[in-house]
Amino acid sequence: LAKTTQPISMDSYEGQEVNITCSHNNIATNDYITWYQQFPSQGPRFIIQGYKTKVTNEVASLFIPADRKSSTLSLPRVSLSDTAVYYCLVGDTNQAGTALIFGKGTTLSVSS
Amino acid sequence: GAVVSQHPSWVICKSGTSVKIECRSLDFQATTMFWYRQFPKQSLMLMATSNEGSKATYEQGVEKDKFLINHASLTLSTLTVTSAHPEDSSFYICSARDSRSGANVLTFGAGSRLTVL
Repeated sequence: LAKTTQPISMDSYEGQEVNITCSHNNIATNDYITWYQQFPSQGPRFIIQGYKTKVTNEVASLFIPADRKSSTLSLPRVSLSDTAVYYCLVGDTNQAGTALIFGKGTTLSVSS
Repeated sequence: GAVVSQHPSWVICKSGTSVKIECRSLDFQATTMFWYRQFPKQSLMLMATSNEGSKATYEQGVEKDKFLINHASLTLSTLTVTSAHPEDSSFYICSARDSRSGANVLTFGAGSRLTVL
């Protein structure tokens, strides 16, 4: 399974856009890129998933360059409630028996 | 969307006793579920893959006789921590994939916090 590398931590202020970049140099052809958010003492929550180019939903955007060796999660206008750990995961999610392996994640701290 | 429920959300037990944690897929069937554990300030670590109707697959270093997994139906997997000790205190999280959705997203339960005294 592809290994991912993310910044350990990031700080931001309310209302700013936050971009978290993840490196996955060994991503395989069938791998998708999925981002999760985790608050303390809760299970991870799905944010967004993509395979290539750009994906946008109501909470975030995911930018994936053509070589797919990295991806950037973009959170527009963060609020205090966006303070959490963000995980970038890479894997073949079409295989039902394939688990996702978590890296260390990025702890985002949003201040007022 | 898909919902995965865990029970109990927290449990305290005495050392030497066994604790069972249930993981249910509420609105979909899951032939495969995954169990993770998470220590404070650390990431999730995959413990085992639970397969409906067959034996679980454990990750290296995880004792199968210590952490018993039963996946008796398409909507229920259980993790039993046998003869629990304080070092087993952790946050246990299960997950499952709803293959009906095009995104094939892995959905996680809310987690179960185990404290062994």
